[in-house]
Amino acid sequence: NAGVMQNPRHLVRRRGQEARLRCSPMKGHSHVYWYRQLPEEGLKFMVYLQKENIIDESGMPKERFSAEFPKEGPSILRIQQVVRGDSAAYFCASSPSPGETQYFGPGTRLLVL
Amino acid sequence: KQEVTQIPAALSVPEGENLVLNCSFTDSAIYNLQWFRQDPGKGLTSLLLIQSSQREQTSGRLNASLDKSSGRSTLYIAASQPGDSATYLCAVRNTDKLIFGTGTRLQVFP
Repeated sequence: NAGVMQNPRHLVRRRGQEARLRCSPMKGHSHVYWYRQLPEEGLKFMVYLQKENIIDESGMPKERFSAEFPKEGPSILRIQQVVRGDSAAYFCASSPSPGETQYFGPGTRLLVL
Repeated sequence: KQEVTQIPAALSVPEGENLVLNCSFTDSAIYNLQWFRQDPGKGLTSLLLIQSSQREQTSGRLNASLDKSSGRSTLYIAASQPGDSATYLCAVRNTDKLIFGTGTRLQVFP
């Protein structure tokens, strides 16, 4: 059973461009969570999704950020018009149900020049 | 608002020592608590998960305890090895999200 997969592992963007981060949950997991780790800071929750639904987006900035988890395909975290402060490691996790262990992917490291 | 604190922030010990890492949280209304390991530039590896109704969990040389009423958890590492060097994170689950501490950076030298 493959683990949580994220791609790309590293992403470089210039200010103003768009960044698309992908997450494929573990097989059988329908709950996906996105977290962000800023340099020298802890992980912070961004958004929780089930298939085709956003359950909790309380940690996601109101502007420029969006997330989806379509019926088919990976979950996407999209950042429009990136700024230098968006540079961080973005981690995706999945679980089979809300109360169970969250399994994390290797992360996408975004660098905004 | 739930806040999670980990002490110490960093720890450097010789191989073979038994270690205790501490985690405290301000709101005892949690569903569970999870300990993770993070290696530099890598993702998170789940070590142990303790449900709110449990007092402890064990896996190999690792033992985690939970005292929900006092808002504390400890991770005990027996007979530490250089391969244990990493950052250890605790996270509490409130509803659907994990709230992380800032971690303890552990270095075990030969």
